[in-house]
Amino acid sequence: AQTVTQSQPEMSVQEAETVTLSCTYDTSESDYYLFWYKQPPSRQMILVIRQEAYKQQNATENRFSVNFQKAAKSFSLKISDSQLGDAAMYFCAYSSPSGAGSYQLTFGKGTKLSVIP
Amino acid sequence: DTGVSQDPRHKITKRGQNVTFRCDPISEHNRLYWYRQTLGQGPEFLTYFQNEAQLEKSRLLSDRFSAERPKGSFSTLEIQRTEQGDSAMYLCASSTRSGEPGLAGGLRSLPDTQYFGPGTRLTVL
Repeated sequence: AQTVTQSQPEMSVQEAETVTLSCTYDTSESDYYLFWYKQPPSRQMILVIRQEAYKQQNATENRFSVNFQKAAKSFSLKISDSQLGDAAMYFCAYSSPSGAGSYQLTFGKGTKLSVIP
Repeated sequence: DTGVSQDPRHKITKRGQNVTFRCDPISEHNRLYWYRQTLGQGPEFLTYFQNEAQLEKSRLLSDRFSAERPKGSFSTLEIQRTEQGDSAMYLCASSTRSGEPGLAGGLRSLPDTQYFGPGTRLTVL
């Protein structure tokens, strides 16, 4: 079964600084997607960034970028120039179009990010 | 707003009552998913539909839980004989299928990518 592990329950960052959130996963599939979702205190889950496993290039989305290490099964999120609005729970998630549980998202337990003014 | 919508946003019920939640997906999305999220945890997959077909339901928590998507558009999740342990946030998400990028373009319409609604918070007294 696929598993997603986020080893940092809480992180904090000074405004305008950079922070990296860690995620590791386990799968036997070769074709899969990895995601970072953000869930602010209002609770709506928002997609931050997506990475396809077959792509070697790390995904970027404005101030957000990932470090995807396929062999190590690691998928970290870097937030640059942190803003107060980045404060939220961040979830790492996995899905695959093949194997048991096709397309369903498997989530980590989340990392609560605080941004210090 | 053309995002995923859910109704109601909050539901308080007494133990033993039945409740039904509704989800309206993004209009061009043919896949619809239900998840449950308890406090301090990541969402837990329950079931999903491709058009009107329910392709995975083995993860529904018990036979008290059922879901429908009769016309391939909106979906309902019903919980019968609610228990206090059913108290949670119920999230709905939708996605397009591979090779079918959404019409809106950009980050909102990546195929095989789930977009979530605001959730329905259920409290069972």
